[in-house]
Amino acid sequence: DADVTQTPRNRITKTGKRIMLECSQTKGHDRMYWYRQDPGLGLRLIYYSFDVKDINKGEISDGYSVSRQAQAKFSLSLESAIPNQTALYFCATSDSSAQGRSNEQFFGPGTRLTVL
Amino acid sequence: AQSVTQPDIHITVSEGASLELRCNYSYGATPYLFWYVQSPGQGLQLLLKYFSGDTLVQGIKGFEAEFKRSQSSFNLRKPSVHWSDAAEYFCAVAPMDSSYKLIFGSGTRLLVRP
Repeated sequence: DADVTQTPRNRITKTGKRIMLECSQTKGHDRMYWYRQDPGLGLRLIYYSFDVKDINKGEISDGYSVSRQAQAKFSLSLESAIPNQTALYFCATSDSSAQGRSNEQFFGPGTRLTVL
Repeated sequence: AQSVTQPDIHITVSEGASLELRCNYSYGATPYLFWYVQSPGQGLQLLLKYFSGDTLVQGIKGFEAEFKRSQSSFNLRKPSVHWSDAAEYFCAVAPMDSSYKLIFGSGTRLLVRP
């Protein structure tokens, strides 16, 4: 099955450490996204990428950076982690040529990050 | 301002009872509409979507949703809840004037009583 995978699934780190979360997809989609989920806030968009050379900030990009190494890979980095970045992080993909251009997105299983 | 509202943070129903989860949106034009489910420890799975046409949409796992333009609502329903439906449910909208945005509500957590 074409899929979206995320590594690691769980990570505990300390304040000030650099962390990278990785996302890979076999769906052949051109667009990829990073979200964070906090209780009571739903999902908020951190960064999104239309293709390898087109990366854009979302609504909460401060403290994060991303890299689109290939069409199938999109990494999220926390350069210096802080406790309020403790959250569940989701990667998602979409196909810009999909019927209706509805921006239907397909999600990975999530990475639970704890910053102590 | 553009927004998606899920007014119920938690809902508890008995197994076998019917279910309705509410979702309202605030956008200038009818957006694309989605319901996702997040089971404990899992990612988000698409239950159903509305793009156009018939306002009653059928999804997976026996769920359906009805789009009501006059009320700017897209409520999720299931006639008979199973214990395995316990999860968090997210309504999301994709504005037609954006090629990438997917705006999520804050979610409703469903608890199922035996």
